[in-house]
Amino acid sequence: EVQLVESGGGLVKPGGSLRLSCAASGFTFSTAWMNWVRQAPGKGLEWVGRIRSKSDGGTADYAAPVKGRFTISRDDSKNTVYLQVNSLKTEDTAVYYCAADPRLAASPFDYWGQGTLVTVS
Amino acid sequence: QSVLTQPPSASGTPGQRVTISCSGSSSNIRNNYVYWYQQLPGTAPKVLIYRGNQRPSGVPDRFSASKSGTSASLAISGLRSEDEADYYCAAWDDSLSSYVFGTGTKVTVL
Repeated sequence: EVQLVESGGGLVKPGGSLRLSCAASGFTFSTAWMNWVRQAPGKGLEWVGRIRSKSDGGTADYAAPVKGRFTISRDDSKNTVYLQVNSLKTEDTAVYYCAADPRLAASPFDYWGQGTLVTVS
Repeated sequence: QSVLTQPPSASGTPGQRVTISCSGSSSNIRNNYVYWYQQLPGTAPKVLIYRGNQRPSGVPDRFSASKSGTSASLAISGLRSEDEADYYCAAWDDSLSSYVFGTGTKVTVL
């Protein structure tokens, strides 16, 4: 069974930092591209960024609103992807989901975690 | 702000057909696959349609999708109460070099 479990969310002041984690199981993590998607309270989905597998270069792409402030990394030995969020703004308040693309020629967001809430206030 | 535009709401009675539109541009919908996601209340989204019109196993064939030019649409036929959810389209945007989601459509079963 595929599982993605996010953690690390919480209440933080503007300008603060957090590191979100997403532990994966049930699929081949090392070859998957991992995404972060967020959803502000009562709002729609917003792509935050993704990290490629090491075999595909291991590089990350980011959405414009978070570029330079957020960093995605991965530890394949722990089947975990991270989202380092710095210089937080009130508009970053959202549930942050990790979503996996197992590279099976289907969806870029095939598997989703349950999300972790980040509140900037 | 979302690059893909969807109607905020849609509704129908059980058994009816409901269609949701997703309007974009040549940098996203015209040149790339469109994906559709369903988000039931209080839960994470799940993939409904991938690569334009393909359904993952477990998704009923009541759900179908199509694309024409810079617009896409999702159709739900034989509407059921369990289809009450928010629906989002998504696509890669070549100009932004990022994925973009639609504004979302809340489907209500009357």
